[in-house]
Amino acid sequence: KNEVEQSPQNLTAQEGEFITINCSYSVGISALHWLQQHPGGGIVSLFMLSSGKKKHGRLIATINIQEKHSSLHITASHPRDSAVYICAAYSGGGADGLTFGKGTHLIIQP
Amino acid sequence: EADIYQTPRYLVIGTGKKITLECSQTMGHDKMYWYQQDPGMELHLIHYSYGVNSTEKGDLSSESTVSRIRTEHFPLTLESARPSHTSQYLCASGNVMMGEKLFFGSGTQLSVL
Repeated sequence: KNEVEQSPQNLTAQEGEFITINCSYSVGISALHWLQQHPGGGIVSLFMLSSGKKKHGRLIATINIQEKHSSLHITASHPRDSAVYICAAYSGGGADGLTFGKGTHLIIQP
Repeated sequence: EADIYQTPRYLVIGTGKKITLECSQTMGHDKMYWYQQDPGMELHLIHYSYGVNSTEKGDLSSESTVSRIRTEHFPLTLESARPSHTSQYLCASGNVMMGEKLFFGSGTQLSVL
């Protein structure tokens, strides 16, 4: 069973700061998902990646398959980026092959 | 963007009641999932379906049941709710096995008194 660890658990930063959230996993995977969960529970998929790097607006996700590690970066952070960011690693074997981290609670102060 | 809907958004009920949490999607996805999430904890898969008349239990034991009679509809039922069932329930769809992203509903926060 894959073990997915995120760091930090909680992060408070000032508006405009560059943010990095880390995700490591224990078993080789075929895909890694980054999700955003806002207060109230709704979850939005930000990225799905299996290698390299993806960028969408101010968000950048990278993955290093050899090191079993992924990072989510937010440039020019804004209070509306405040949310819980969750990584989930898919190691195959069907629907139960997707393992979620506990999330990083990010607060961006104005 | 997401066309997946869950109702109710919040539900407070007494012990022993039967409840059904509704989930519908309009994207034509074959694969749908139910996850359970406790505060500050990771999502755990409790049920999934690969298509009509297909249902399977996930890695987290659950006393709930599901059905999939139509592609767009994947309801979850608790025959007799207990306080231990208090949690957030999230429905999702999408083919994670083929490297597609997941679409989530807004969740149902269930409180059993």
